[in-house]
Amino acid sequence: SQQGEEDPQALSIQEGENATMNCSYKTSINNLQWYRQNSGRGLVHLILIRSNEREKHSGRLRVTLDTSKKSSSLLITASRAADTASYFCATLETSGSRLTFGEGTQLTVNP
Amino acid sequence: DGGITQSPKYLFRKEGQNVTLSCEQNLNHDAMYWYRQDPGQGLRLIYYSQIVNDFQKGDIAEGYSVSREKKESFPLTVTSAQKNPTAFYLCASSMGLLGTGGMVSGYTFGSGTRLTVV
Repeated sequence: SQQGEEDPQALSIQEGENATMNCSYKTSINNLQWYRQNSGRGLVHLILIRSNEREKHSGRLRVTLDTSKKSSSLLITASRAADTASYFCATLETSGSRLTFGEGTQLTVNP
Repeated sequence: DGGITQSPKYLFRKEGQNVTLSCEQNLNHDAMYWYRQDPGQGLRLIYYSQIVNDFQKGDIAEGYSVSREKKESFPLTVTSAQKNPTAFYLCASSMGLLGTGGMVSGYTFGSGTRLTVV
């Protein structure tokens, strides 16, 4: 079963705008991760945030985690056409031994 | 360069045939995973292995088999019992869990194998 659910399913923005994607999950987690997938390729790990962290930054990426609401958001600032990809959240449950992935958000950045 | 290699990139299977997908990593990772991805969908876990000579079923293991005889290799066999095998298959590896600290880094994925039944 899918633990994480991304919202929206698809997002289309203009270059230079910010893109925000959300992820909700159901159980207690050890950490939450975001991945990016270009069409027909493997996934690339972007960022990991632990359950005791609330916010994390990496370059143009900002991730927040609200464990009380069981939700996370990924913000990509000043988007570029090269950011066009699918973005997935994945959770490691507290008692789990492997990641569970959501269905993903398809981001399109128009030049 | 360290990485994870999947082969072949494209694979065609006839009805009733078994096929094996290769996954090799030189990252010295303990854990390896196989996921299936259908068009426009997320990833579903088929099998995973935390250490050599041990593996566990994931959410959709029926019709698949694996082995983990070497740390570097985790081949996946799609058997004739898998009725709808056409999909994109992704292999991943990680350092695994570290005591009670959980995971400290993400998964490294291969570039995938696209399997089509003809």
